[in-house]
Amino acid sequence: QVQLVQSGAEMKKPGSAVKVSCKASGGTFNTYSFNWVRLAPGQGLEWMGGIIPIFATAKYAQKFQGRVTITADVSTSTAYMEVSSLRSEDTAMYYCARGSVEMAANEGCFDPWGQGTLVTVSS
Amino acid sequence: QSALTQPRSVSGSPGQSVTISCTGTSSDVGGYGYVSWFQQHPGKAPKVMIFDVTQRPLGVPDRFSGSKSGNTASLTISGLQAEDEAHYYCCSYAGTYTWVFGGGTKLTVV
Repeated sequence: QVQLVQSGAEMKKPGSAVKVSCKASGGTFNTYSFNWVRLAPGQGLEWMGGIIPIFATAKYAQKFQGRVTITADVSTSTAYMEVSSLRSEDTAMYYCARGSVEMAANEGCFDPWGQGTLVTVSS
Repeated sequence: QSALTQPRSVSGSPGQSVTISCTGTSSDVGGYGYVSWFQQHPGKAPKVMIFDVTQRPLGVPDRFSGSKSGNTASLTISGLQAEDEAHYYCCSYAGTYTWVFGGGTKLTVV
């Protein structure tokens, strides 16, 4: 059974950057998409972007293009999501979620999910 | 990409049925067969309840069902139980390897 374990909570200042990790265990890593989804206070879930590690090319939602970088390290089965130029509106719980269909970032759904990483942006 | 449109809240009594709608466009919900529904309890990660419009993962009760007509998908929960009280989000493939979620619906079991 695949498990995703994310890094711990972060407190950041406006203008800085944060990098969140998501380590996969118990299943195949390279050939499934790894996606990042955030939940800000009072808002709904937002898909930020995703990557299939074997292809190493990430796709981003338009809103996050240029400020978010998603990468994957196949040697450690870990996906990463970095947000730069942080602002208070980036305060949110960030989740990683694996795509459910192998070698397809355009099918299925997101399952399983990591436990979430709370990022707080405050001066 | 705009978020899919869901009602902010719905409610029902134990044993009743409720339906949550999710309206998009022909570029997402109407254009593909990859609509999923997630249940999220406070402080927990989302859990998939329906995928590929109508499919139920193993372990999800058959009280949960999904459907789609045109640009609108729906989640129906029959025989409401107290533990169904949660936020529900729809999600759709939106082309060119992107995905979009709905704004979320709070289900209250009164």
